[in-house]
Amino acid sequence: DTGVSQDPRHKITKRGQNVTFRCDPISEHNRLYWYRQTLGQGPEFLTYFQNEAQLEKSRLLSDRFSAERPKGSFSTLEIQRTEQGDSAMYLCASSFRSGGDNEQFFGPGTRLTVL
Amino acid sequence: GEDVEQSLFLSVREGDSSVINCTYTDSSSTYLYWYKQEPGAGLQLLTYIFSNMDMKQDQRLTVLLNKKDKHLSLRIADTQTGDSAIYFCAVSSASKIIFGSGTRLSIRP
Repeated sequence: DTGVSQDPRHKITKRGQNVTFRCDPISEHNRLYWYRQTLGQGPEFLTYFQNEAQLEKSRLLSDRFSAERPKGSFSTLEIQRTEQGDSAMYLCASSFRSGGDNEQFFGPGTRLTVL
Repeated sequence: GEDVEQSLFLSVREGDSSVINCTYTDSSSTYLYWYKQEPGAGLQLLTYIFSNMDMKQDQRLTVLLNKKDKHLSLRIADTQTGDSAIYFCAVSSASKIIFGSGTRLSIRP
């Protein structure tokens, strides 16, 4: 399977704990995105990387959230001191920036439940 | 900020055409997308249209774009039970994608 992969697929944690998710993009893609999707809503943009540089962060990304892409390949999204409102599906997407094309390919997501 | 609106539900009879409508606010969007999401599955890109096009057809799918009214529609011909899903309208905004809340399409026999 050469698509975008995410790990874990499901995470249940207690309020106040830290969690970390991983995303492995399609190998030749230089852009990587994180989105959050809550029940009944469409995905909302959180942040994106071009290679290892984090180029944009949404105001939804509070200081409890941090994302990294240290070598320009996989990325991690960490949430510190989780709150019940953080419960959502966290989606990763990747794309290859070429000309004006920005087709993003999405992974299956990590579903986070904060108790 | 940018906004994408679409109706929440659509019910059609099997074999009929489905038309899902969407309006958006960002007139600078270059690409406009339709994604499909089935229960427990990720987002699947169905089709997209470039902003200088009026129409795009791909097998059973037809996308119409009215740039003046900022209106996008997706027509699915000969709707089948396998088309049951949530359909998201989305538009490009700088380097990110802005999604609508999704239209749940249900098929009745």
